[in-house]
Amino acid sequence: NAGVTQTPKFQVLKTGQSMTLQCAQDMNHEYMSWYRQDPGMGLRLIHYSVGAGITDQGEVPNGYNVSRSTTEDFPLRLLSAAPSQTSVYFCASRYPGGTEAFFGQGTRLTVV
Amino acid sequence: QQQVKQSPQSLIVQKGGIPIINCAYENTAFDYFPWYQQFPGKGPALLIAIRPDVSEKKEGRFTISFNKSAKQFSLHIMDSQPGDSATYFCAASKAQGAQKLVFGQGTRLTINP
Repeated sequence: NAGVTQTPKFQVLKTGQSMTLQCAQDMNHEYMSWYRQDPGMGLRLIHYSVGAGITDQGEVPNGYNVSRSTTEDFPLRLLSAAPSQTSVYFCASRYPGGTEAFFGQGTRLTVV
Repeated sequence: QQQVKQSPQSLIVQKGGIPIINCAYENTAFDYFPWYQQFPGKGPALLIAIRPDVSEKKEGRFTISFNKSAKQFSLHIMDSQPGDSATYFCAASKAQGAQKLVFGQGTRLTINP
């Protein structure tokens, strides 16, 4: 099992560019989430999904878009990158009903 | 708003010491409280978790203490080792039908040899 796979690992964008961060899991988890990690801020929830076709906003959704067409994939789209979106992004998945969340290795994004 | 507050932000302990990391939560509906450990360049990984029906849980050298009335919980690491140096996050969620896992700000722990 690969677990949760995120691509790319590193990315540099120019202000105003758009891109998609990919996340795929092979554990058949219904719940998937995107977090961003910034120094002193912990992990903040951007968007989450409780199943294919169902998404909702987290704590910091502005500037990001998601969709979930399959159980396995949950891409995160940056519509028009801004320097404030420089961060490390983590995708996580888990079964319904709480318990352990499995995280990917992260994508380090720099917007210049 | 920060639903889970974690302290300290950083902590340095000598090998063999007992680092203690504290968290406080606001939402009384939370009933699942995990701790995650993160090494540089890696994603967080579950370390230990507790539900509010017990006041303490031990797994190896790691112990969670839980105070429901104070809405606080803490992580203790017994006989700490340099390999325990990492960032630790507390978190909280509602166990039933829980979609959101809310994290604290994180504590960077350094264990000196």
